Amino acid sequence: DAMVIQNPRYQVTQFGKPVTLSCSQTLNHNVMYWYQQKSSQAPKLLFHYYDKDFNNEADTPDNFQSRRPNTSFCFLDIRSPGLGDAAMYLCATSREYSTDTQYFGPGTRLTVL
Amino acid sequence: QQQVKQSPQSLIVQKGGISIINCAYENTAFDYFPWYQQFPGKGPALLIAIRPDVSEKKEGRFTISFNKSAKQFSLHIMDSQPGDSATYFCAARGYGGSQGNLIFGKGTKLSVKP
Repeated sequence: DAMVIQNPRYQVTQFGKPVTLSCSQTLNHNVMYWYQQKSSQAPKLLFHYYDKDFNNEADTPDNFQSRRPNTSFCFLDIRSPGLGDAAMYLCATSREYSTDTQYFGPGTRLTVL
Repeated sequence: QQQVKQSPQSLIVQKGGISIINCAYENTAFDYFPWYQQFPGKGPALLIAIRPDVSEKKEGRFTISFNKSAKQFSLHIMDSQPGDSATYFCAARGYGGSQGNLIFGKGTKLSVKP
């Protein structure tokens, strides 16, 4: 049973063309996270939400935005993708910030042409 | 202080051998140390985790050893199998609010040769 679902799994966009990635969860968890993972690197936290309270990591570029319209869904918007934004984007959830386990989705592989 | 240093970057082990991956941290406020396993094209999945009040945790072929005084922890994979070939990330987490965010090591790519 899929618990954290990401769509699409693969996304190709053109340089500068806005793109939106989506994440949904069936776990009813309070916290949702967006990570960026470049090839052979560790996941890098971009944003996290506790319910609708939004938290932006200090070094997340302004080009990245996020929305969480309800508990189940979270979106990552990249306003003007550059070549350096090509990466795997991972969504994760946890019940609380202090909960041990973060559950990751399968990721969306973004290619920028 | 927020870093988690992981080594080696890559590891090749023969089938049946022991794989050992090491991590070190600085922040004594960290209170939870998970290991994640990631296969190509997939998201990371929690493998095993430990808290600093124990020195070792074993689940099947996977063992975490934890040395609080040295601020180090390691993953041991006994009887390594080709199916264990993946990238392994150690991580650490503080307690409370956004301190609960995971800090990942850079990862170790493990290849188990048949």
